[in-house]
Amino acid sequence: QKEVEQNSGPLSVPEGAIASLNCTYSDRGSQSFFWYRQYSGKSPELIMSIYSNGDKEDGRFTAQLNKASQYVSLLIRDSQPSDSATYLCAVFTSGTYKYIFGTGTRLKVLA
Amino acid sequence: DAGVTQSPTHLIKTRGQQVTLRCSPKSGHDTVSWYQQALGQGPQFIFQYYEEEERQRGNFPDRFSGHQFPNYSSELNVNALLLGDSALYLCASSLNPANTGELFFGEGSRLTVL
Repeated sequence: QKEVEQNSGPLSVPEGAIASLNCTYSDRGSQSFFWYRQYSGKSPELIMSIYSNGDKEDGRFTAQLNKASQYVSLLIRDSQPSDSATYLCAVFTSGTYKYIFGTGTRLKVLA
Repeated sequence: DAGVTQSPTHLIKTRGQQVTLRCSPKSGHDTVSWYQQALGQGPQFIFQYYEEEERQRGNFPDRFSGHQFPNYSSELNVNALLLGDSALYLCASSLNPANTGELFFGEGSRLTVL
């Protein structure tokens, strides 16, 4: 079992729709969870962080965390073509200083 | 505020050669992590440096080594290059590995091994 798993996609959604990206992780001791966006040929950039169960909203982005199910998700509302990128889920465990990324989900927003 | 800077941005080597990649962390950051990202894959953790010591290491062979200097900058060295070492090498800095864990990435060094 991979430490952080994501569906590689591509996930295609029409412009204006909600994009839903999912991630599962294996280490129950993980405490911090992140979503990074990576445009083709560029480095990852942080878009959301979440540390406790529930939802966290920032503009068009909502991160959801369920530690019991070891599940993290990212919702993008009113998706725009500029949101087309690969979205990387990352999990951090402070006890081991391990910061592990998933393989990423490629999102395509169709105009 | 200077972000994370990496050099060189692109380089081409042949099998068996050695390469050194360099990274300067974001101002105020003291922890540097290195990642390897192959095409179509997520970043794979190589190792992390804090207080000039290797704090944590991923599943990479000893051909991959590193160093952190007193000014927190870091180098990644790869010996005896293989074709499979071709990848984007990302440096990420953070404030203390025991902190929130948020990473700031440089633009990467793209290594091609022929």
